[in-house]
Amino acid sequence: RKEVEQDPGPFNVPEGATVAFNCTYSNSASQSFFWYRQDCRKEPKLLMSVYSSGNEDGRFTAQLNRASQYISLLIRDSKLSDSATYLCVVNRVSGGYQKVTFGTGTKLQVIP
Amino acid sequence: ETGVTQTPRHLVMGMTNKKSLKCEQHLGHNAMYWYKQSAKKPLELMFVYNFKEQTENNSVPSRFSPECPNSSHLFLHLHTLQPEDSALYLCASSQDGPAGDGWETQYFGPGTRLLVL
Repeated sequence: RKEVEQDPGPFNVPEGATVAFNCTYSNSASQSFFWYRQDCRKEPKLLMSVYSSGNEDGRFTAQLNRASQYISLLIRDSKLSDSATYLCVVNRVSGGYQKVTFGTGTKLQVIP
Repeated sequence: ETGVTQTPRHLVMGMTNKKSLKCEQHLGHNAMYWYKQSAKKPLELMFVYNFKEQTENNSVPSRFSPECPNSSHLFLHLHTLQPEDSALYLCASSQDGPAGDGWETQYFGPGTRLLVL
């Protein structure tokens, strides 16, 4: 089983729609969780961290379910500029250093 | 944004060539990373350096050789590569180390797109 799994998509949604992505992780020792965004032919950039209590940043809401070992990202009122690949990232600290694992990414295409 | 720079941005090399990729971070971070991104595959962590010491080598073939002369610079030396090594090679940095709790953000460079013929 892959350490981090995501549905690769693509998710094709109309502007204004709400879309949700899930990501599952297999290592229960995982400690920190992130969503990164990668635009076509660009480097990944941090979108938001995912905290146990859930957190929101404008139109984006991230949630963590440790019991079921998954994280989610909800995007409300989708914009054309949201079109990108969303990478789930799971991190654990071992020996004092980060062990970072990326998912394959979920591709989102927002359609006019 | 020039927090993390990488050169060259594109590289074409033959299987017998030797080349080096360079990464420089201007963020004052103490950890640097090399990743490989192939089509339809997740980013694969290759090497991690914390405080200039290599702390991670994820079973990377010896034809890839990292070097970290100081906390701001990271190199990836390439020799006798194979066509399947063609990929985007991304460098990242973070403020990390023994005091880290795993919540440090990684900042990526633009990558070097490598083609091995």
